[in-house]
Amino acid sequence: QQQVKQSPQSLIVQKGGISIINCAYENTAFDYFPWYQQFPGKGPALLIAIRPDVSEKKEGRFTISFNKSAKQFSLHIMDSQPGDSATYFCAASMETSYDKVIFGPGTSLSVIP
Amino acid sequence: EPEVTQTPSHQVTQMGQEVILRCVPISNHLYFYWYRQILGQKVEFLVSFYNNEISEKSEIFDDQFSVERPDGSNFTLKIRSTKLEDSAMYFCASRGPGGFTGELFFGEGSRLTVL
Repeated sequence: QQQVKQSPQSLIVQKGGISIINCAYENTAFDYFPWYQQFPGKGPALLIAIRPDVSEKKEGRFTISFNKSAKQFSLHIMDSQPGDSATYFCAASMETSYDKVIFGPGTSLSVIP
Repeated sequence: EPEVTQTPSHQVTQMGQEVILRCVPISNHLYFYWYRQILGQKVEFLVSFYNNEISEKSEIFDDQFSVERPDGSNFTLKIRSTKLEDSAMYFCASRGPGGFTGELFFGEGSRLTVL
């Protein structure tokens, strides 16, 4: 119930291409869905987040699509750049749980020139 | 820009020894967390701390673990008797006051190696 599933485990994309990472959850009590980006040797950092009352959120080249009925959400990175190479974690949390963030298993993205 | 700082960056210890990992959260933050990440695996919640007490803990956070906020700035994680399986990267995180945002600010982590 607390699990967040994520795929693919790893992804290689050409520079300028679109990177897509998919996630799914079971617990309908989750009410906040952040994506964290982690570079080697660093802690995770919030990239973009969405609440379930909207179906899409866009910030620059990063877009979250959210399907509440399917309990699925995805991250799209447009015009992917080598600097986007990192591990991406989808996550879920609920306000009633002191913002405890449950992370997905992560996707290692490599953007090649 | 304010940041969460963690020390040490890397600690090597013998099995059975006690370890204390230290964190200085962002100064006006009120909610504090410890997470761990075993190499190549997902980031796992250990414990949350608010108003000087544990607000929630995971099943990983057993009696061998404890947290403390000994003064107004530090937040520590103690592992009483380390096991081989405690080897991981431990991340401290904090969140600010005000409305719910779900954003946690993470430190760069403390790598613990248990031999």
